[in-house]
Amino acid sequence: QQQVKQSPQSLIVQKGGISIINCAYENTAFDYFPWYQQFPGKGPALLIAIRPDVSEKKEGRFTISFNKSAKQFSLHIMDSQPGDSATYFCAASYYGTDKLIFGTGTRLQVFP
Amino acid sequence: GAGVSQSPSNKVTEKGKDVELRCDPISGHTALYWYRQSLGQGLEFLIYFQGNSAPDKSGLPSDRFSAERTGGSVSTLTIQRTQQEDSAVYLCASSLGGTSWTDTQYFGPGTRLTVL
Repeated sequence: QQQVKQSPQSLIVQKGGISIINCAYENTAFDYFPWYQQFPGKGPALLIAIRPDVSEKKEGRFTISFNKSAKQFSLHIMDSQPGDSATYFCAASYYGTDKLIFGTGTRLQVFP
Repeated sequence: GAGVSQSPSNKVTEKGKDVELRCDPISGHTALYWYRQSLGQGLEFLIYFQGNSAPDKSGLPSDRFSAERTGGSVSTLTIQRTQQEDSAVYLCASSLGGTSWTDTQYFGPGTRLTVL
C-alpha cells in the first residue's frame, strides 16, 4: 500500500515531441503528488506538484494529469527539449510536510 | 541563498567500518529528511526530523543505521559496521516544515557511499 509504481523505466523522445511518464498508487490516503527532476550528480528538484482535488495542473511545458478513481497520475512534457534529459521521479505523501514515497524513476533522453 | 549541503560528496570505506555522513539544511528549515538512492532504484525514505518532535525512524533498514540532529540544524547519519549492500547515494532534504501542503523538500547533492 505504500508503493508508487512508475513507468516506463526509460524513455527516448525526439526534440519537439511529447514525453509521458505514468505513476500509480494504492493508498487513497495520499494527498500530495509531486514530480521531481534529477540531473546526474545533483539532488532531485521539485518540478511540479498536484493535490487530488484537481484533475490537471499545468506549468509551462509541464502538465500533471490526475485520475483519482484510477489512482493514477502522469507527467506530460510538451515540446520536449534536449535540456529536459534527466531522470524524473513521481512521489506521494500523506501531506505536503511528510515523508515522500518515490517511484523508481524514468530516465528521459531527448535527442535533437 | 545557500541550498542544502552534504559532506563528503564521496566516501569509500571497507566493509565493517563505521561512516558518518553530514547534512547542513537550509537556514530556517525545521524539517529534515534522509533518503537513500540505490542504483536503478527510487529514493527510499530513511528518517525524518521535525523541530523538537521525536524523529520518524520508520525507514531505517537496520539498527546499524542511526541519525541525529543537533541544535535543530545539522544532521549526521551514521552507519555502523558497513556492508556492501549499504553502497548507495544518501540524500538529505530540508523543508520549512509548516502545515501547508505546498511545503517543498529541497534536496542536497548527496553523498555517494561505496563499501568495498
